[in-house]
Amino acid sequence: DVKVTQSSRYLVKRTGEKVFLECVQDMDHENMFWYRQDPGLGLRLIYFSYDVKMKEKGDIPEGYSVSREKKERFSLILESASTNQTSMYLCASRDRVGQPQHFGDGTRLSIL
Amino acid sequence: GDSVTQMEGPVTLSEEAFLTINCTYTATGYPSLFWYVQYPGEGLQLLLKATKADDKGSNKGFEATYRKETTSFHLEKGSVQVSDSAVYFCALGGTSGGSYIPTFGRGTSLIVHP
Repeated sequence: DVKVTQSSRYLVKRTGEKVFLECVQDMDHENMFWYRQDPGLGLRLIYFSYDVKMKEKGDIPEGYSVSREKKERFSLILESASTNQTSMYLCASRDRVGQPQHFGDGTRLSIL
Repeated sequence: GDSVTQMEGPVTLSEEAFLTINCTYTATGYPSLFWYVQYPGEGLQLLLKATKADDKGSNKGFEATYRKETTSFHLEKGSVQVSDSAVYFCALGGTSGGSYIPTFGRGTSLIVHP
């Protein structure tokens, strides 16, 4: 069965810290995505990657960066965490355009 | 650009009631259509899909038909259970000739009372 694994379910960090969120998929999928989910705002795309070392900005990339050195792993980096980045972060992967996405269980990140 | 509009919630029903959650879309090309469900504290999971006009997706008693003429993909279930309480998202899968990125609706919360 398809599996997308996010490294942490809950994470608490302090403002100004550099934060790494890791996501691993075991399906050899080409595409991977990072979203944040906030009440009343739905899912908002931060970054996506359509292949190894390839990335494109989504709707809200400010304050974030990503890394995809290997096909199975897509990392989200908060360069200098701020309280407005407190949110639920969801990783997803997809085989190719038009196919459904597979999501991890999410990381609930609190920035104090 | 592509967009998805789904009815706002919460939708509150009694057990065994009939469920409809409306979803309409605008898109370039002919995208695949999906319904995802998110249970509390979890990520989204695929509920059903349809890849072309008039296709009917179904799973766990839920159904939705890809209506190109009305650009709709409404979710229905004949008899809901308390365990169906969750947030439901309608989504476009993207197309090679249009938007490559999936487009999601805002989500509709369903609450089912015993």
